[in-house]
Amino acid sequence: TQLLEQSPQFLSIQEGENLTVYCNSSSVFSSLQWYRQEPGEGPVLLVTVVTGGEVKKLKRLTFQFGDARKDSSLHITAAQPGDTGLYLCAGANRDDKIIFGKGTRLHILP
Amino acid sequence: DAGVIQSPRHEVTEMGQEVTLRCKPISGHNSLFWYRQTMMRGLELLIYFNNNVPIDDSGMPEDRFSAKMPNASFSTLKIQPSEPRDSAVYFCASRPLLVTGELFFGEGSRLTVL
Repeated sequence: TQLLEQSPQFLSIQEGENLTVYCNSSSVFSSLQWYRQEPGEGPVLLVTVVTGGEVKKLKRLTFQFGDARKDSSLHITAAQPGDTGLYLCAGANRDDKIIFGKGTRLHILP
Repeated sequence: DAGVIQSPRHEVTEMGQEVTLRCKPISGHNSLFWYRQTMMRGLELLIYFNNNVPIDDSGMPEDRFSAKMPNASFSTLKIQPSEPRDSAVYFCASRPLLVTGELFFGEGSRLTVL
């Protein structure tokens, strides 16, 4: 069974600080996605990474896919209260099956 | 364009009753996924369809759960009989038939079984 472990589960930091959250698995994925979910809504895609070692930047967010395509990280620079939310990683295998980690619940204090 | 539409948004029912959740995917999307979200277990994949055909239902908890996709624009998830442990938010998501395609989620159906 493929599993995605996300860490930390919860993170509360001050506005302006930097942070990194992680997504790890023992399985190889064809692609990996990061989603953000706000209360009462469905997850919304932030980024998709496909190639081992790939790095993508989205403003203050930097996403990296591990060389072996088993893990990923999300780094936020100068966090802002608007970054508060649940961050989910999702891995896709060759059969189009998409599984999610349990998420990191991020709270940015003003 | 309308996104993924789910109904009902909220359902409160008593143990033993039948529950039917509905989903209308985005027009033109070939894949449809049903997920269940709880605090303890996160977002669990229940079943997914490609071109209206169920591909993997290994995440369906037990025989009380069933899902159908009679056509490209409609899917149902049925629980019969419902139990308190089925209480969760159920999400439907659709996407084009691409391995790297984005999942578009509905707003979810919050189910409470008393």
